[in-house]
Amino acid sequence: NAGVTQTPKFQVLKTGQSMTLQCAQDMNHEYMSWYRQDPGMGLRLIHYSVGAGITDQGEVPNGYNVSRSTTEDFPLRLLSAAPSQTSVYFCASRLRNTGSYYEQYFGPGTRLTVT
Amino acid sequence: DQQVKQNSPSLSVQEGRISILNCDYTNSMFDYFLWYKKYPAEGPTFLISISSIKDKNEDGRFTVFLNKSAKHLSLHIVPSQPGDSAVYFCAASRTTNAGKSTFGDGTTLTVKP
Repeated sequence: NAGVTQTPKFQVLKTGQSMTLQCAQDMNHEYMSWYRQDPGMGLRLIHYSVGAGITDQGEVPNGYNVSRSTTEDFPLRLLSAAPSQTSVYFCASRLRNTGSYYEQYFGPGTRLTVT
Repeated sequence: DQQVKQNSPSLSVQEGRISILNCDYTNSMFDYFLWYKKYPAEGPTFLISISSIKDKNEDGRFTVFLNKSAKHLSLHIVPSQPGDSAVYFCAASRTTNAGKSTFGDGTTLTVKP
């Protein structure tokens, strides 16, 4: 299993540009999430999905859009990039409730710089 | 309002000694807690978890303690090894809304040989 994969690893955008961060998992996990991590801070939830066709907002959803058409893929779209969106973005997945197991599996991250 | 707090940004310990990382939370609805470990340029990896029905969970060198009345949990690493040097994140979840986890800001642990 490749686990959770993210592309690209690095990206530089100009203010106002749009782009899509890709995330895929091959573990048949129902739950998928997108987080951003800013320097010295923890991971903040942007959007999450509990299954194909179902998405919801997290703590910091503004400026981002998601959709989930398949179990495997959960792309994150930046609609009009702003310097405040400079961050490291992590995608994560986990199984639906299985007793007490709630641990998430994270991808390696995408480092995004907006100039 | 930050619901999960790790008040120590960094911790330095000698190899072989105990490392104790602390985490406080404010939302009494949280009932499942996790610790993740993160190396530079990698994604976080799951380390250990605890349900609110327990007060202790052990896995090898790692033990997590939960004090519900104080809304406090701690991660003990014994003995500490240089390979344990990483950022440790505490996360909290609610089983009624378990699609979402709230993370603390992390503690950078340095284990000196």
